[in-house]
Amino acid sequence: GAVVSQHPSRVICKSGTSVKIECRSLDFQATTMFWYRQFPKQSLMLMATSNEGSKATYEQGVEKDKFLINHASLTLSTLTVTSAHPEDSSFYICSAKTGRDEQYFGPGTRLTVT
Amino acid sequence: ILNVEQSPQSLHVQEGDSTNFTCSFPSSNFYALHWYRWETAKSPEALFVMTLNGDEKKKGRISATLNTKEGYSYLYIKGSQPEDSATYLCAPYLDTGRRALTFGSGTRLQVQP
Repeated sequence: GAVVSQHPSRVICKSGTSVKIECRSLDFQATTMFWYRQFPKQSLMLMATSNEGSKATYEQGVEKDKFLINHASLTLSTLTVTSAHPEDSSFYICSAKTGRDEQYFGPGTRLTVT
Repeated sequence: ILNVEQSPQSLHVQEGDSTNFTCSFPSSNFYALHWYRWETAKSPEALFVMTLNGDEKKKGRISATLNTKEGYSYLYIKGSQPEDSATYLCAPYLDTGRRALTFGSGTRLQVQP
């Protein structure tokens, strides 16, 4: 199957700093990528849909100025958590959609804000 | 918020047991249902994509059925093995315009040798 990488797998940052997470489709092109967030013992919650060459579509309640998404190429989308605070600590995971509507996931990023 | 329920939340079985889980979802605006297996520290792995009412799909010892009219899907594992231990997620496409998956909270399966 198709492979999606995500980097970094773990990151610890200080409150007030920004963190960038990369999501790459390694062997296919993805015009659409998705960013999810998972709180402990909860399901994956969609944060935003990232479309190559256009602005991301954010879900209700997700601050677009706080979670900046850039999908500059058909194989790369980035999520930047700006001015991170401890409540942003979570597990972030991306997926990339193929032309056949299949979605392949990255392994996720564990963010801890101290 | 669209309601996708999975049950049970967790399950412990012995090696060799067969087991099944349930995913229930709103039946209106149904487009497709995805099942994923998510092992710790790995990427969720796609198991099945199901679209038609009455669909039944199989992959080795794992199979799934779909009822779009009543809004549920069953996932079956025959002769569970320790390597089947994982969280099993279902995710229907419920909004054809947006084509985004809505995930259930998953069923965590632990298979004891």
